[in-house]
Amino acid sequence: EVQLLESGGDLVQPGGSLRLSCAASGFTFSSYAMSWVRQAPGKGLEWVASIRPSGDGTFYADSVKGRFTISRDNSRATLYLQMNSLRVEDTALYFCARNYYFAFWGRGTLVTVSS
Amino acid sequence: DVVLTQSPLSLSVSLGQPASISCRSSQGLVYSDGNTYLNWFQQRPGQSPWRLIYKVSDRDSGVPDRFSGSGSATDFTLEISRVEAEDAGVYYCMQGTHWPLTFGGGTKVEI
Repeated sequence: EVQLLESGGDLVQPGGSLRLSCAASGFTFSSYAMSWVRQAPGKGLEWVASIRPSGDGTFYADSVKGRFTISRDNSRATLYLQMNSLRVEDTALYFCARNYYFAFWGRGTLVTVSS
Repeated sequence: DVVLTQSPLSLSVSLGQPASISCRSSQGLVYSDGNTYLNWFQQRPGQSPWRLIYKVSDRDSGVPDRFSGSGSATDFTLEISRVEAEDAGVYYCMQGTHWPLTFGGGTKVEI
């Protein structure tokens, strides 16, 4: 059974940093691209970033480019999202999802950016 | 960026009746490999999204056959043949053909 478990969400002040993790199990992690998708409170879904299976290619939404970094550790079957220079508008539930077409999703981890 | 426009924004349907959601793309979604990467997701209240349909019309494992997808190029449709109570939630289309990946704004289905 495919499982994705996000962690690392927290309350952080504007300008702060946070690192999210997503632990994967139930499939060969190193064979799949992975993605982060977020959902602001009461709003729709927004793609954030994706990474190729080997980690040799990354893609970002313009809204986070230059501030967020997606990475992965295939030996640990874990996906990461390093978030710097956080803004109030980054407040959202952050989901990790398998590949570029989001076949499977985790339950999400909540990031709140507020002073 | 590809803009996906869903209609209607909300839909109230009686049990056992059909429902239809439209998703229109600002650009054609046929990829260079010949596939059209248009997907549909359901999000029930308080839950994570769940993919129902991929590549326009392929149903994901475990998805009831009352859900179907159709369309081509820039116009796509998700249909529910006979709505059940568990179908309440928000439905999103999403395109995976062009970067950045984008979602439609969502359609809320009330039963």
